[in-house]
Amino acid sequence: AQSVTQPDIHITVSEGASLELRCNYSYGATPYLFWYVQSPGQGLQLLLKYFSGDTLVQGIKGFEAEFKRSQSSFNLRKPSVHWSDAAEYFCAVVFGMDSSYKLIFGSGTRLLVRP
Amino acid sequence: GAGVSQSPRYKVAKRGQDVALRCDPISGHVSLFWYQQALGQGPEFLTYFQNEAQLDKSGLPSDRFFAERPEGSVSTLKIQRTQQEDSAVYLCASSSSYNSPLHFGNGTRLTVT
Repeated sequence: AQSVTQPDIHITVSEGASLELRCNYSYGATPYLFWYVQSPGQGLQLLLKYFSGDTLVQGIKGFEAEFKRSQSSFNLRKPSVHWSDAAEYFCAVVFGMDSSYKLIFGSGTRLLVRP
Repeated sequence: GAGVSQSPRYKVAKRGQDVALRCDPISGHVSLFWYQQALGQGPEFLTYFQNEAQLDKSGLPSDRFFAERPEGSVSTLKIQRTQQEDSAVYLCASSSSYNSPLHFGNGTRLTVT
């Protein structure tokens, strides 16, 4: 079955520390991969996406993610976290094309930033 | 330009009432999606339109949920005889094509009392 897993419900890091949020998916082919961020009371903002090509993709706000086909993973990273990065982060995967196009979200990881 | 607009921002309904939630997608976007996000959860897919055609409604939780997009732009999600378990944020998103990222609205928070 197609699925997206974010194994960490909460992560707490100190401001200035590095960050890695995990995402794994289950799918027979190479999917389209996304990371979104959601601040309280706000909609979802796209951080970055992977369709094909270079497996290390750069996004907004200093985030990057690496697609690893062998591990079915698309982990999000940031070298130095800022207090404003505290939010909920969702990994999302497109399964199917055209008429069966469907973006499936993981359950999210809440990032807390210590001063 | 304008993003995806949803109204109302908040809706309180008594159990058993019908509600209608509106989504104005980005102009020219052919694809439109509805998602349901329960508290502390990720968004769950409800339904997908390409222009006026509803191509996938596999995520609608019951026959009380109905979505339409009659002219291929504005969409309405209707919930009949609301139940407490329908309380959630309903998100609308649009995209210009199937391999383009989705742009999300800020959602409608529905509370059923």
